[in-house]
Amino acid sequence: DAKTTQPPSMDCAEGRAANLPCNHSTISGNEYVYWYRQIHSQGPQYIIHGLKNNETNEMASLIITEDRKSSTLILPHATLRDTAVYYCIVTLRKPGNLIFGKGTKLSVKP
Amino acid sequence: EAGVTQSPTHLIKTRGQQATLRCSPISGHTSVYWYQQALGLGLQFLLWYDEGEERNRGNFPPRFSGRQFPNYSSELNVNALELEDSALYLCASSPPPLGRWNEKLFFGSGTQLSVL
Repeated sequence: DAKTTQPPSMDCAEGRAANLPCNHSTISGNEYVYWYRQIHSQGPQYIIHGLKNNETNEMASLIITEDRKSSTLILPHATLRDTAVYYCIVTLRKPGNLIFGKGTKLSVKP
Repeated sequence: EAGVTQSPTHLIKTRGQQATLRCSPISGHTSVYWYQQALGLGLQFLLWYDEGEERNRGNFPPRFSGRQFPNYSSELNVNALELEDSALYLCASSPPPLGRWNEKLFFGSGTQLSVL
């Protein structure tokens, strides 16, 4: 699977949009981008995934560049409860193939 | 609908003992995954069970083993415990493929294993 690079930490003001970047320059054509988050002391939670088109759901939006070498997860109106570690994962759609890296620790501040 | 449940929430053992951790997947889910999260480290993939069979395992020694029961619940066994086995052990489940794979895993809250 392709590797991903994420900043180790980011801050965001409450109510503002949080934009979390992820680089995956060696992604192959059939690999998907998945985002999970882990709030302290809980198991990871699925957020969103995509292949090449931008995606939006009730939690977030995923913007994937045209060359697919990077993506951005957008939390449109961050709240204190969005403070968590966010994992960007690039994976083939094979079961058991979800590998978590170190992620980005997002701190939402009042 | 109940989520993935794990038991116990906390487990304290001493070096050399065996630990058994349990996981009940979401109803209708047939795959169970085990991950280890040691303090300050990312999640490390341990094991994947599907339809009662071990399908894949991560880079862990054989003293980490498990099984999946006919009702799709699962056990993780860790033999000859070592201090560095102290970690949060997370279980996740996912539904059958239904024609398309989707790595959308549902995680439990984990079992915190402490080895003294």
